Amino acid sequence: QKEVEQDPGPLSVPEGAIVSLNCTYSNSAFQYFMWYRQYSRKGPELLMYTYSSGNKEDGRFTAQVDKSSKYISLFIRDSQPSDSATYLCAMSHLNTGNQFYFGTGTSLTVIP
Amino acid sequence: KAGVTQTPRYLIKTRGQQVTLSCSPISGHRSVSWYQQTPGQGLQFLFEYFSETQRNKGNFPGRFSGRQFSNSRSEMNVSTLELGDSALYLCASSSMGLGLGSTEAFFGQGTRLTVV
Repeated sequence: QKEVEQDPGPLSVPEGAIVSLNCTYSNSAFQYFMWYRQYSRKGPELLMYTYSSGNKEDGRFTAQVDKSSKYISLFIRDSQPSDSATYLCAMSHLNTGNQFYFGTGTSLTVIP
Repeated sequence: KAGVTQTPRYLIKTRGQQVTLSCSPISGHRSVSWYQQTPGQGLQFLFEYFSETQRNKGNFPGRFSGRQFSNSRSEMNVSTLELGDSALYLCASSSMGLGLGSTEAFFGQGTRLTVV
């Protein structure tokens, strides 16, 4: 079993829809949670960074962490065609530096 | 503020050769980590360097090695290339210090290595 599971999709939504992306994990030691967006043939771009449980909002993006359920989510409101990309969740332990454990990514297409 | 710079962007090598990839982190960042990205396995951690010392290492064979210089620039070397080494190699830069948990890590555009 992989430490981080992410539905690969593909996910296709109409412009303006609310998108929900999710990851589950098995290691309760994870405390740092990140979401990255990766366009084709580009490096991952950091969208959200969250420590421990709770919600964090940044513009149209909201990240949620539920450590009791080992479940994290990224919500995208008012989705735009420019949001079409692969979304990667990543997480790490305390004091393990940049050794992130990544999900396999969810491919999202927003249709105009 | 300049981002993470990786060179070269593309490489084609022959099986059995060796290759060196370079990563210049964001100015002031002392942590550089390397990842291999393939369609089947996703992003897999190779190793991390902080202040010229390797701090963590993933489950890759010894053919994969790295180093970090005093200016925080890092290089990754792969010897005796195999076809399966074809991948996008990404480096991530972070400002995190010793004894602290993870902070935001920023990725470069990657080096796409093709082994033929």
